[in-house]
Amino acid sequence: EIVLTQSPGTLSLSPGERATLSCRASQSVTNSYLAWYQQKPGQAPRLLIYGASNRATGIPDRFTGSGSGTDFTLTISRLEPEDFAVYYCQQYVNSPWTFGQGTKVEIK
Amino acid sequence: QVQLVQSGAEVKKPGASVKVSCKASGYTFTGYYIHWVRQAPGQGLEWMGWINPNSGATNYAQKFQDRVTMTRDTSINTPYMDLSRLRSDDTAVYYCAREAHGYFDYWGPGTLVTVSS
Repeated sequence: EIVLTQSPGTLSLSPGERATLSCRASQSVTNSYLAWYQQKPGQAPRLLIYGASNRATGIPDRFTGSGSGTDFTLTISRLEPEDFAVYYCQQYVNSPWTFGQGTKVEIK
Repeated sequence: QVQLVQSGAEVKKPGASVKVSCKASGYTFTGYYIHWVRQAPGQGLEWMGWINPNSGATNYAQKFQDRVTMTRDTSINTPYMDLSRLRSDDTAVYYCAREAHGYFDYWGPGTLVTVSS
């Protein structure tokens, strides 16, 4: 089973600032089969990024995914008020599908 | 447009079973696997398994292997997740999600299952 570890647990930032979220895998995520999701309170997760760096339909270009192997990053270039949420990475290399424990981006 | 509409909240006693449905519309139901993911209160996301709506084949997480059954009714484009021998730590929101090449591009709104005596 591939274990994903996200850091930091919480990121306290102000609107307009840059957010950098990390996701580290316990073994190589081949073919960059890694996705990022955003979840707001009381809502289902929403797909942001797939294939490590491909934005999903309708996702603004301030969201950028990067990385390969065991280290991946989600960058939000300038935080908008609606970006304050919890973010999860997920690998889909093989079963079982696994998620990181999440990074909460909160307003400072 | 793709929609996954889940059944309503449930309250169950320990030891009982719960069956959650997820009606799909806006796409070819048999063309995409459906996964089930749960989230305990204040916790992260936990993958439970998938079903191939075309063949009915399933793949369950080892943790749930002996308690979960995923089925589907292709006549009404609806997959189901049945969890038996419920415990208090099964209290969670249960989501269905459509798989597109491994990742989940559409999610249902979630179904809260509360297990309490």
